[in-house]
Amino acid sequence: DAGVIQSPRHEVTEMGQEVTLRCKPISGHNSLFWYRQTMMRGLELLIYFNNNVPIDDSGMPEDRFSAKMPNASFSTLKIQPSEPRDSAVYFCASSSRRLTSGSIYEQYFGPGTRLTVT
Amino acid sequence: AQTVTQSQPEMSVQEAETVTLSCTYDTSESDYYLFWYKQPPSRQMILVIRQEAYKQQNATENRFSVNFQKAAKSFSLKISDSQLGDAAMYFCAYRSARGAQKLVFGQGTRLTINP
Repeated sequence: DAGVIQSPRHEVTEMGQEVTLRCKPISGHNSLFWYRQTMMRGLELLIYFNNNVPIDDSGMPEDRFSAKMPNASFSTLKIQPSEPRDSAVYFCASSSRRLTSGSIYEQYFGPGTRLTVT
Repeated sequence: AQTVTQSQPEMSVQEAETVTLSCTYDTSESDYYLFWYKQPPSRQMILVIRQEAYKQQNATENRFSVNFQKAAKSFSLKISDSQLGDAAMYFCAYRSARGAQKLVFGQGTRLTINP
């Protein structure tokens, strides 16, 4: 399995620009999570989906952030307009809600996207 | 809301020795899961070990083991025979067994291995 795939790995943009981060979960997983990692706030959940439906978006900072999951194999996190305080590493993770041997819905993380907004 | 606290921002250990990383958490739930994740400089989050709260037996994965004290809400990670490749940030995380699936992370402990 290729694991969770995120693109781009690095993104540098200017304040005010639109940024789109992409994620492909592990095939067969039906839960998808977006986390953000910063020095000040650590790792925090932004939003998660079950079966492509947003379940908890309470971590989304503000209306500038939006996330979609149009199908089971693709999700986007969009920031419009971007601001310097959005600079962080954004992780996508996926898990399966179907119990498998030894599984307790473990979340598998992608490599992250390092976003820098200047 | 659940919280996770890692009181050791940094730890260091000599290669081949044993080190223990501390983690405490706060919850009113009785059924939950606890995890330790490793984040090397590559920044990839790697699951090291997991513990189901209903299990009294401490989880073990090769050189990694936990000391789970449910009453004290403590979940420490012991790394035996430390290796240079163990150098990383280590995060303790909590997940409810009911309802919210999100992981709640501690602030992390940076582990340095001295050769």
